[in-house]
Amino acid sequence: KQEVTQIPAALSVPEGENLVLNCSFTDSAIYNLQWFRQDPGKGLTSLLLIQSSQREQTSGRLNASLDKSSGRSTLYIAASQPGDSATYLCAVPHNYGQNFVFGPGTRLSVLP
Amino acid sequence: EADIYQTPRYLVIGTGKKITLECSQTMGHDKMYWYQQDPGMELHLIHYSYGVNSTEKGDLSSESTVSRIRTEHFPLTLESARPSHTSQYLCATEKNGQYNEKLFFGSGTQLSVL
Repeated sequence: KQEVTQIPAALSVPEGENLVLNCSFTDSAIYNLQWFRQDPGKGLTSLLLIQSSQREQTSGRLNASLDKSSGRSTLYIAASQPGDSATYLCAVPHNYGQNFVFGPGTRLSVLP
Repeated sequence: EADIYQTPRYLVIGTGKKITLECSQTMGHDKMYWYQQDPGMELHLIHYSYGVNSTEKGDLSSESTVSRIRTEHFPLTLESARPSHTSQYLCATEKNGQYNEKLFFGSGTQLSVL
């Protein structure tokens, strides 16, 4: 059974800092991995999708990496801003082509 | 990008009432999902559909039911609401593809049962 963990559970940083969020999964038989952002009381917004054949994916100040063999992904946020404050979740399939399993999320606060 | 609409955005009802949460999408995606999420907690899959007339229960036991008569709509129904059903309900679609594709979420319905 696929299990997903995220470290840290919460993170508070001053504005301008670079930071890394971690996602680990137990079953490496995945097709891709997705990172999402969730604002309080809202739905999830997809940030990045990394295919299993990729090592990295970039969008603006965000960079996600994937090491499928070790079951790990990182989300790097450069030059953090208060508007980045949200919960960040990663999701992988149960198994190849199966439904997604979500991590518990990392709650990020960027202080002005 | 997918357009997913969930209504109502907020709902406060009394115990025992029957309710239907609506989810509609305009992108023709075959796969649709319902997730339940308590504040600050993980998402739990409660129902999913791989297309018209296809519905399955998810990982979390739920007293709700769903239907998929049309591709665009995936409503969730609670026959008799209870305070334990108080939660946020999120609808999602998955881009059509061979395996796992990008997920798109609606804004959610925040349900409070008194």
